[in-house]
Amino acid sequence: KNQVEQSPQSLIILEGKNCTLQCNYTVSPFSNLRWYKQDTGRGPVSLTIMTFSENTKSNGRYTATLDADTKQSSLHITASQLSDSASYICVVSLISYGNNRLAFGKGNQVVVIP
Amino acid sequence: DSGVTQTPKHLITATGQRVTLRCSPRSGDLSVYWYQQSLDQGLQFLIQYYNGEERAKGNILERFSAQQFPDLHSELNLSSLELGDSALYFCASSPTDSGGPTDTQYFGPGTRLTVL
Repeated sequence: KNQVEQSPQSLIILEGKNCTLQCNYTVSPFSNLRWYKQDTGRGPVSLTIMTFSENTKSNGRYTATLDADTKQSSLHITASQLSDSASYICVVSLISYGNNRLAFGKGNQVVVIP
Repeated sequence: DSGVTQTPKHLITATGQRVTLRCSPRSGDLSVYWYQQSLDQGLQFLIQYYNGEERAKGNILERFSAQQFPDLHSELNLSSLELGDSALYFCASSPTDSGGPTDTQYFGPGTRLTVL
């Protein structure tokens, strides 16, 4: 079972609407959680980074939340634009060096239609 | 533009062959990470180097190896290639090796490897 599960796997939303993406993780001890945006065929770009003590972090129309007790995070996209069509990847960083210190979700594929 | 460069952009080769992928990190970044991304697996962390030394190892096959040179550029060597090795290979760089909240990774554009 993957250590980081994202849902929904894919979704289609109308331009201008809001949407929320979910990330549940099982790994610990936990250092920080990141959300990346990856356009098709491009490298991921960091959107937000949160430590275990932070509950929310915003980057423009993107707002990430974190509940370290339930090991859940969400990424909320407000007033979606066509350029928001991308894969959104949740990444959990562990407090350790060595093997497998980074755990990746498989991504939420978002398609924004006019 | 993240400041991370990768070459080549595309690579087509045959099974059993060996290839080398190259990555130049952002100016000043000491850490280099390699990732493999296939359609059904998502991003898989392969290996990390920090200032020339291996720092962390992920799901890297024994047929794969990497190194970071004194000028901080890195190469990922893939040998005895199989059809299943076809994927996008990303390199990322970050200023330190802490993995902490300020240690953002900047990804390159990737190398698309096709094994026929």
